Amino acid sequence: DAGVTQSPTHLIKTRGQQVTLRCSPKSGHDTVSWYQQALGQGPQFIFQYYEEEERQRGNFPDRFSGHQFPNYSSELNVNALLLGDSALYLCASSSAAGELFFGEGSRLTVL
Amino acid sequence: QKEVEQNSGPLSVPEGAIASLNCTYSDRGSQSFFWYRQYSGKSPELIMSIYSNGDKEDGRFTAQLNKASQYVSLLIRDSQPSDSATYLCAVKSNQGGKLIFGQGTELSVKP
Repeated sequence: DAGVTQSPTHLIKTRGQQVTLRCSPKSGHDTVSWYQQALGQGPQFIFQYYEEEERQRGNFPDRFSGHQFPNYSSELNVNALLLGDSALYLCASSSAAGELFFGEGSRLTVL
Repeated sequence: QKEVEQNSGPLSVPEGAIASLNCTYSDRGSQSFFWYRQYSGKSPELIMSIYSNGDKEDGRFTAQLNKASQYVSLLIRDSQPSDSATYLCAVKSNQGGKLIFGQGTELSVKP
């Protein structure tokens, strides 16, 4: 049973560029959440997708956007990258029971 | 006041001792509580969930919840060097269901 898978695992971008991160949820899960984790901090909630709709959003600017596809996979897009966007981006999937399971993350470095 | 607070540590205990990790939260209406373990450079891994007041035991781990005091704790008995990691407390928001994380407590178990 495949868990949550994310790609790419590492990437380097420069300021002003755009990035797309991808996530496939755990089998049987229909809800995908995205978190940003800066070094030494706990994960911060970006948004959550269910039935291809953004259901809830954290305190992140509109530069952060997402999408969920009919197969429940999801993308996170970040436009106009800033140095402060450097972080580990975590995708988590869940079912109705509510327990979140994380993928291995995508580590983004903005130069 | 932060929504979920943990001592950042580091907490250092000798091998075989009991490690006690604490967490407080601000939303009195929260109903679901989780402990995640995160090894350096890795993603968070769910180790315990607790929903009712009292203790919940799973192997060497015991989660304790006191909703009146808005306090959650994790005890690790017979601590092993392999338990050395950052432990994240997470509380499910009463508004929308997102998980809110503390900043994590770094645990170091010395042989």
